[in-house]
Amino acid sequence: AQSVTQPDIHITVSEGASLELRCNYSYGATPYLFWYVQSPGQGLQLLLKYFSGDTLVQGIKGFEAEFKRSQSSFNLRKPSVHWSDAAEYFCAVGVESGYSTLTFGKGTMLLVSP
Amino acid sequence: DTGVSQDPRHKITKRGQNVTFRCDPISEHNRLYWYRQTLGQGPEFLTYFQNEAQLEKSRLLSDRFSAERPKGSFSTLEIQRTEQGDSAMYLCASDTGSDTQYFGPGTRLTVL
Repeated sequence: AQSVTQPDIHITVSEGASLELRCNYSYGATPYLFWYVQSPGQGLQLLLKYFSGDTLVQGIKGFEAEFKRSQSSFNLRKPSVHWSDAAEYFCAVGVESGYSTLTFGKGTMLLVSP
Repeated sequence: DTGVSQDPRHKITKRGQNVTFRCDPISEHNRLYWYRQTLGQGPEFLTYFQNEAQLEKSRLLSDRFSAERPKGSFSTLEIQRTEQGDSAMYLCASDTGSDTQYFGPGTRLTVL
């Protein structure tokens, strides 16, 4: 069975600074990988996804993520954080074929300081 | 807005009562999922429908939980004899074979 580890529960970043959120997955084949963002009391919004091809994927709101098979990682990055980026970020993995129930990590809460 | 909608957004109930939540997926999305999210955790899969057929249920879905999607459109999730441990956010998602699930805003259940 697949699993996802987000090692950082909380991260605080100054506004304007760069951001990297870590995600490691465990799955025997090529995974489908996702990053979602959740604002307080809200559902999940898809930031970006990786299925195949170029290992650097671009998403909404200036986010990008890089799939590294050798490290089983799919880290999320943003070059300059805005106060509105404060939220909880979830990495998720889906299986490769057919329908795909997602397995989520426990999330990383991003705090943005002025 | 043609996104996934859920109703109600919040539900407070007393232990032992039954509750029912509704999810309306994006039009023409034939796959619908229910997840549960407790405080400090990521969402956990509960059950999955393809059209009206319920094809998979997680072991998290005890026999007090039942889900339906009678006409392959909206879905309901019922919890009977609620317990305090059922307090959580219940999320619905849908997709159409693109393997990208779109989530609704969730229903937050509080069991007193």
